[in-house]
Amino acid sequence: DVKVTQSSRYLVKRTGEKVFLECVQDMDHENMFWYRQDPGLGLRLIYFSYDVKMKEKGDIPEGYSVSREKKERFSLILESASTNQTSMYLCASSGQGDTGELFFGEGSRLTVL
Amino acid sequence: QKEVEQNSGPLSVPEGAIASLNCTYSDRGSQSFFWYRQYSGKSPELIMSIYSNGDKEDGRFTAQLNKASQYVSLLIRDSQPSDSATYLCAVLLLYNFNKFYFGSGTKLNVKP
Repeated sequence: DVKVTQSSRYLVKRTGEKVFLECVQDMDHENMFWYRQDPGLGLRLIYFSYDVKMKEKGDIPEGYSVSREKKERFSLILESASTNQTSMYLCASSGQGDTGELFFGEGSRLTVL
Repeated sequence: QKEVEQNSGPLSVPEGAIASLNCTYSDRGSQSFFWYRQYSGKSPELIMSIYSNGDKEDGRFTAQLNKASQYVSLLIRDSQPSDSATYLCAVLLLYNFNKFYFGSGTKLNVKP
């Protein structure tokens, strides 16, 4: 089974702190994604990566950065957390091709005080 | 215009009935289509994928795709209370870095 593991299920941080959210997948997938999910707004793509050291902005990249130094690991970084970044963060991965289903991690619920 | 549109619901059906969930998409380059189920507080899980026009059945679930009308639907037969969840429609754009677009989801309530 595909496994996507997010390092923290729940985090509480203070405004201005630097936050790292880690994601690891074990299926040798090329593509990895970071979404945030908020009530009424659905899933919104923050960043994605289609190869090691490659990244592309999604729909809402402001205030975020990412790192992909190894194929299996994709990190989301909040350089200076703000209260409007309180959200559920979902990491996902997929393989190449038109049958590349997206597999999600369990999510990281971040609260910024 | 959003890439993927869904009625947010809630859609309420009695136990044992057929639930019909609908989704439209705007990009004719969309090549693959997926339905995800998401229980409250949990992450989405894939329940159906469909790649060509027509119907695809898997147990109580049937996905239907009409590329000419840019329409994809999910039918759930013999609905159970455990089917109560939010259902997300997703499309995959292969020409755009294998990028997925999600609808905002339809909340389904199955009443015992």
